[in-house]
Amino acid sequence: EAGVAQSPRYKIIEKRQSVAFWCNPISGHATLYWYQQILGQGPKLLIQFQNNGVVDDSQLPKDRFSAERLKGVDSTLKIQPAKLEDSAVYLCASSSGGGSGRQETQYFGPGTRLLVL
Amino acid sequence: AQSVAQPEDQVNVAEGNPLTVKCTYSVSGNPYLFWYVQYPNRGLQFLLKYITGDNLVKGSYGFEAEFNKSQTSFHLKKPSALVSDSALYFCAVRDKAAGNKLTFGGGTRVLVKP
Repeated sequence: EAGVAQSPRYKIIEKRQSVAFWCNPISGHATLYWYQQILGQGPKLLIQFQNNGVVDDSQLPKDRFSAERLKGVDSTLKIQPAKLEDSAVYLCASSSGGGSGRQETQYFGPGTRLLVL
Repeated sequence: AQSVAQPEDQVNVAEGNPLTVKCTYSVSGNPYLFWYVQYPNRGLQFLLKYITGDNLVKGSYGFEAEFNKSQTSFHLKKPSALVSDSALYFCAVRDKAAGNKLTFGGGTRVLVKP
């Protein structure tokens, strides 16, 4: 079974530029998550989708971050404009979404490492 | 609000010796607890989880963890560490009161020396 795919793996941009990340979850997984992992810290949830609907985006900086999952499969996360403090690894995860959310295991992709100069 | 603490930034252990990575949590309801491992330039890999039942949970690669409700702890253990276990370990908790959101600790770096 293929895992969670993410691209690109690395991205370097200058501040005030825009950037987009792509995620393809495990086939059949209804729930998709985007996390931000700053160096030396644990991942922090940015947004959670159930199919193509947003479940939780309370920690997403909506003035500059946006995310979509139009057909309930792939997802994109965009930052516009980027700031220096956005330098981090952006992790995508998915879970089956078929049962109790609390018991489900989230499976993570390799992440996209973003450096904002 | 739910939270997770991993009190040790780094754990050093000799190969073949027992390995313990500590984790304590704080939730308002019943916790669901997870351990993940992260190797350099890779995403998080699931090791094990506690949902309910037996307090001792066995997971991947010979790891196990013990849920202790009175001490609000969920320490990760391995009887005999390997050099290949050197990585970053994250404890995480999920509580229904927090909307099923997964909250991670800050991570513990494990270094197993030959």
